[in-house]
Amino acid sequence: GNSVTQMEGPVTLSEEAFLTINCTYTATGYPSLFWYVQYPGEGLQLLLKATKADDKGSNKGFEATYRKETTSFHLEKGSVQVSDSAVYFCALVAQGGSEKLVFGKGTKLTVNP
Amino acid sequence: DTEVTQTPKHLVMGMTNKKSLKCEQHMGHRAMYWYKQKAKKPPELMFVYSYEKLSINESVPSRFSPECPNSSLLNLHLHALQPEDSALYLCASSRGDRLTDTQYFGPGTRLTVL
Repeated sequence: GNSVTQMEGPVTLSEEAFLTINCTYTATGYPSLFWYVQYPGEGLQLLLKATKADDKGSNKGFEATYRKETTSFHLEKGSVQVSDSAVYFCALVAQGGSEKLVFGKGTKLTVNP
Repeated sequence: DTEVTQTPKHLVMGMTNKKSLKCEQHMGHRAMYWYKQKAKKPPELMFVYSYEKLSINESVPSRFSPECPNSSLLNLHLHALQPEDSALYLCASSRGDRLTDTQYFGPGTRLTVL
């Protein structure tokens, strides 16, 4: 079945450090890929998405590239801020099968000043 | 505008109470979803409504009863809940052409069952 694997957290960084959160997937067909962010005590916000191979999603300084050859969608940011502290979920929807949004387990990021 | 609103923000109820959660969107989306999220876990799908018809029920206990009165509104009626039902309940919506469309989430209702 379809699945998403994210790097285990928590991740703790200092302000202005470089961030990478790894995400790999298993899916039939050509899934759409998403990163959602959940700030403490809040719901999920769509951070970025990509719908086909080699697409790059970007938003608020975050980027992720859809790599079909490595089945990956790693999240990166060049310089994190304290306000980026949150839980990040990688997710996919695959055509065919159940077509449900499948989430990774989430990665908690803490950025210290 | 990609806003999904949910009320109430917090809800505390006893096991014999009946309460309802409300979700609203005005983006013209035709698919709406209920998710349950326990602490430190990803959201789990409960129900999907597509064009105001229930299309997916993920074997949710009958003490949870969804309702879609119109294309903008989604309710979740709660009755005789258990303490283990305490969680964050998230509503989401998508355009509705395909389930592969982007889902936009509301802020959630934090439910505590005593």
